[in-house]
Amino acid sequence: DSGVTQTPKHLITATGQRVTLRCSPRSGDLSVYWYQQSLDQGLQFLIQYYNGEERAKGNILERFSAQQFPDLHSELNLSSLELGDSALYFCASSPPGSGGGNTIYFGEGSWLTVV
Amino acid sequence: AQSVTQLGSHVSVSEGALVLLRCNYSSSVPPYLFWYVQYPNQGLQLLLKYTSAATLVKGINGFEAEFKKSETSFHLTKPSAHMSDAAEYFCAVRNNNAGNMLTFGGGTRLMVKP
Repeated sequence: DSGVTQTPKHLITATGQRVTLRCSPRSGDLSVYWYQQSLDQGLQFLIQYYNGEERAKGNILERFSAQQFPDLHSELNLSSLELGDSALYFCASSPPGSGGGNTIYFGEGSWLTVV
Repeated sequence: AQSVTQLGSHVSVSEGALVLLRCNYSSSVPPYLFWYVQYPNQGLQLLLKYTSAATLVKGINGFEAEFKKSETSFHLTKPSAHMSDAAEYFCAVRNNNAGNMLTFGGGTRLMVKP
């Protein structure tokens, strides 16, 4: 158990709908990362938050948005869903300090199926 | 920009044989390098990481990796494969810059034959 909690574990929804994925980081971790894993794209970085502020943005579609709340949990919002958005979405967290050498801990992911 | 290439999307070995999973990186600054393992229907678990200390890094489950700057490589090895090692393995690079996110390779699926 990495200590990163993601809900829901599985989600099936229809095209055009909107869903919210939730992540609770490890206790004490300030950074939250979102990744998308799909068969054709592999593991793609979407976005990072640090202590409530957006820190970096990757290949995140405009239909997707995220935020990190004062209690440090994070939500990834996916709207106008398309079949191609079906994927495993990972949340990850890392502790403050020591830069790039810190371990990034991953949750078990949220499986999204768009039908 | 940083990137990672994993040679071989599928590797098959016999139980008890040497495991060698290849990873080459590209980075404009000294990198931090990681190997993660993903078992079926599970998240990513850290196997080991290189953070500019010893070039030979030992990880969990008997795995180790050697950082070779001249070859820009960070190959993962294990002397003797177990059936339980069957999983997907990801190499990743991370720089100490703004965001310092992980950039992953395409992954290598390891199959272990009895």
